[in-house]
Amino acid sequence: SQQGEEDPQALSIQEGENATMNCSYKTSINNLQWYRQNSGRGLVHLILIRSNEREKHSGRLRVTLDTSKKSSSLLITASRAADTASYFCATAAFGSGNTGKLIFGQGTTLQVKP
Amino acid sequence: DVKVTQSSRYLVKRTGEKVFLECVQDMDHENMFWYRQDPGLGLRLIYFSYDVKMKEKGDIPEGYSVSREKKERFSLILESASTNQTSMYLCASSTRLAGATYNEQFFGPGTRLTVL
Repeated sequence: SQQGEEDPQALSIQEGENATMNCSYKTSINNLQWYRQNSGRGLVHLILIRSNEREKHSGRLRVTLDTSKKSSSLLITASRAADTASYFCATAAFGSGNTGKLIFGQGTTLQVKP
Repeated sequence: DVKVTQSSRYLVKRTGEKVFLECVQDMDHENMFWYRQDPGLGLRLIYFSYDVKMKEKGDIPEGYSVSREKKERFSLILESASTNQTSMYLCASSTRLAGATYNEQFFGPGTRLTVL
């Protein structure tokens, strides 16, 4: 079952603006990851935040995690047309290390207009 | 760089045919996964394998089977293809090695399967 729910489902912004996507989940997690998918392609890992972390940065990406609310957000600053893609959150439950299983959200489709 | 390859980018089959989707990874990963992706439903896990000859059902295993005879190869089998199995199929792999990013998955480019 999909435990990640993402909000919004679709987002359209102008180049240079910031894009924020949210993810909620239901069970206790070891970590939460964000992936990107260009149209018709496979997913690419962007960033991971562990359950004991609250915020993490990678280039123009900023991820926050609130385990009390079971939610995460991904912020892309100064967006570019090349950021146009679908973005998925994925959670790794405690004890899933042996199997590597992740549970993916339904994704947010981001369109950045030049 | 980790490379995950899938045997076909596009595939068209007829109802009732037996379909094989192949996935190969070159990084000696222990874990391999098959997902299907449909609009509005995100990625749904079909089967996964955490070792050679080991397999576990995911969320939607009905109508599918898998085979993992070698560590690098994970095959998805549609025993008798049906139109509702038209979808994008994604393969992924990950490692359990200490020091690796916990559960980070590496994806293939996907196979878009159409069943007529």
